[in-house]
Amino acid sequence: EAQVTQNPRYLITVTGKKLTVTCSQNMNHEYMSWYRQDPGLGLRQIYYSMNVEVTDKGDVPEGYKVSRKEKRNFPLILESPSPNQTSLYFCASSSYSGGLTDTQYFGPGTRLTVL
Amino acid sequence: KQEVTQIPAALSVPEGENLVLNCSFTDSAIYNLQWFRQDPGKGLTSLLLIQSSQREQTSGRLNASLDKSSGRSTLYIAASQPGDSATYLCAVRGPNAGKSTFGDGTTLTVKP
Repeated sequence: EAQVTQNPRYLITVTGKKLTVTCSQNMNHEYMSWYRQDPGLGLRQIYYSMNVEVTDKGDVPEGYKVSRKEKRNFPLILESPSPNQTSLYFCASSSYSGGLTDTQYFGPGTRLTVL
Repeated sequence: KQEVTQIPAALSVPEGENLVLNCSFTDSAIYNLQWFRQDPGKGLTSLLLIQSSQREQTSGRLNASLDKSSGRSTLYIAASQPGDSATYLCAVRGPNAGKSTFGDGTTLTVKP
């Protein structure tokens, strides 16, 4: 089954404790993205990757890191989480071919609470 | 910077009514526009994708149109059902293929 998986689905942590949220897709997609969703602010793009070792900032990259060492994986790293990073996080992937990007497929989301 | 606006923010209609959701964007240099559905506490489900060279796409009771020059898209839902109740989001891809900007959504309630 074609899918985007995220782990963990729920996480409660404390300020300053480094954490990683994993994202994996099994569709051989070139593009992957991370978003956060907050009430009243909607979905905002954090980082995106066009392929292995190629990443770029979205609208809200501060406080986050990403890496793309393998095509299928795109982890989101919070090296020193703060309470304002409490949010619902989504990973997404899409294919790119012939100058066209296709449908974005979203993971189930990770609900992060930073105390 | 691309800005995406969805109007109305909320909509309540009786079952069976046809309805239109609106999405507008400020930068016409887009790759595509995608409509999603999100149920409370859930992830996003893709409804329709319109490439920048296309004018409309249809799937079942849904029809989405795109007017790139005016920066507008509409999602038409025919014969609405209570199961259509959800938040509908539009997302614009561009100015590069990786960048994506979402609207704040329209929350639809269809009353039996």
